[in-house]
Amino acid sequence: EDKVVQSPLSLVVHEGDTVTLNCSYEVTNFRSLLWYKQEKKAPTFLFMLTSSGIEKKSGRLSSILDKKELFSILNITATQTGDSAVYLCAVDHFQETSGSRLTFGEGTQLTVNP
Amino acid sequence: DSGVTQTPKHLITATGQRVTLRCSPRSGDLSVYWYQQSLDQGLQFLIQYYNGEERAKGNILERFSAQQFPDLHSELNLSSLELGDSALYFCASSVDRGTGNEKLFFGSGTQLSVL
Repeated sequence: EDKVVQSPLSLVVHEGDTVTLNCSYEVTNFRSLLWYKQEKKAPTFLFMLTSSGIEKKSGRLSSILDKKELFSILNITATQTGDSAVYLCAVDHFQETSGSRLTFGEGTQLTVNP
Repeated sequence: DSGVTQTPKHLITATGQRVTLRCSPRSGDLSVYWYQQSLDQGLQFLIQYYNGEERAKGNILERFSAQQFPDLHSELNLSSLELGDSALYFCASSVDRGTGNEKLFFGSGTQLSVL
């Protein structure tokens, strides 16, 4: 069964801390891994990773994929209260019977306290 | 703003009732996806439509159905509602070139409460 597992499920830090969020996966026909940030409602896209070892970076956020060990990490440096959100990891994989599918992990709830 | 529009934002209804959730995808996107997000679960894939036709089916109950119309908007119909159907229902859209590696853009969701 295809699955995406995120850890930790919940994380509380102080402003300025650095955090690392983990995502491991077991899917058939992997295509890409995506990170989303969900604040109040709609998840918003952060990164798409398709190749191992190539870091994607956007400001204080960065992410990397390891296709051999089947995991990805999302790093946030110098955290701010505005980073408080649920961070979702999703894997795009192909199924013969149903085509491309995006399977989400349960998410990591990050709370950044002032 | 993702460009994906969902209505209504909130729905409160009773058990046994039927509701319809509506989604307009981003301009130019051919694929529409429906997801359910409950408190104790992550985003669960329900169904995907591509250019009017069903493309993929996930954990969608038989009491639920969906369709995509010629103008590419989509509707998710939930019938014989149960308390456990209370959740946030998201619609997402993508261009879907059929090669994978699609970025999904999500609407703001419809919060359904079944009392």
